[in-house]
Amino acid sequence: DIHMTQSPSTLSASVGDRVIITCRASQNINGWLAWFQQKPGKAPKFLIYQASTLDSGVPSRFSGSGSGTEFTLTISSLQPDDFATYYCQQYNSYPLTFGPGTKVDIK
Amino acid sequence: EVQLVESGGGLVQPGGSLRLSCAASGFSYNTYWVNWVRQAPGKGLEWVANIKEDGSEIHYVDSVKGRFTISRDNAKKSLYLQMDSLRAEDTAVYYCARDRGIHRTFDNWGQGTLVTVSS
Repeated sequence: DIHMTQSPSTLSASVGDRVIITCRASQNINGWLAWFQQKPGKAPKFLIYQASTLDSGVPSRFSGSGSGTEFTLTISSLQPDDFATYYCQQYNSYPLTFGPGTKVDIK
Repeated sequence: EVQLVESGGGLVQPGGSLRLSCAASGFSYNTYWVNWVRQAPGKGLEWVANIKEDGSEIHYVDSVKGRFTISRDNAKKSLYLQMDSLRAEDTAVYYCARDRGIHRTFDNWGQGTLVTVSS
């Protein structure tokens, strides 16, 4: 199984800050990586797939990059609506696996 | 608008069974893989199972193999998860999620249904 890790586990930031979340895979996932945003009591929201392609309607302040085993999600200027937990997910091979999540809260 | 609506959750005793359903609308259901993803209270996301457009290919996470069965009815635009031999660790919100075309990721999600396994 491919094991996913994320850092940091919690991130305290202010509106307007640039935020970077790192996701690492235990082996090469060939860029087959997605990012999700989840708010308390809600279903996850799909943000990015194939490491860097934004889903339709996702604000351009979100971006993804990386290859091989290391990937990042960047929020260029944090907005009030962005305080949430973010998950990465690999879909290179079964079982499909998620990272443990990064909670972005208010500083 | 894509909609996925889960139902069938509830309280069940350890060793018991439950069948979850997911009703799909707003897209050509028979042209997408669909998935079950779960989230234990206060925990992260765990993919459970998926099924190909025509039901000819199915995958499960190891922890549910032999206990859970995923199925679909394209005429009814519905997805199912039969859960047998339930354990306390199966307690979670279960989400139905649609695949992103060729990408085995999840671009649309239902609101989830809570399954609690407890005596």
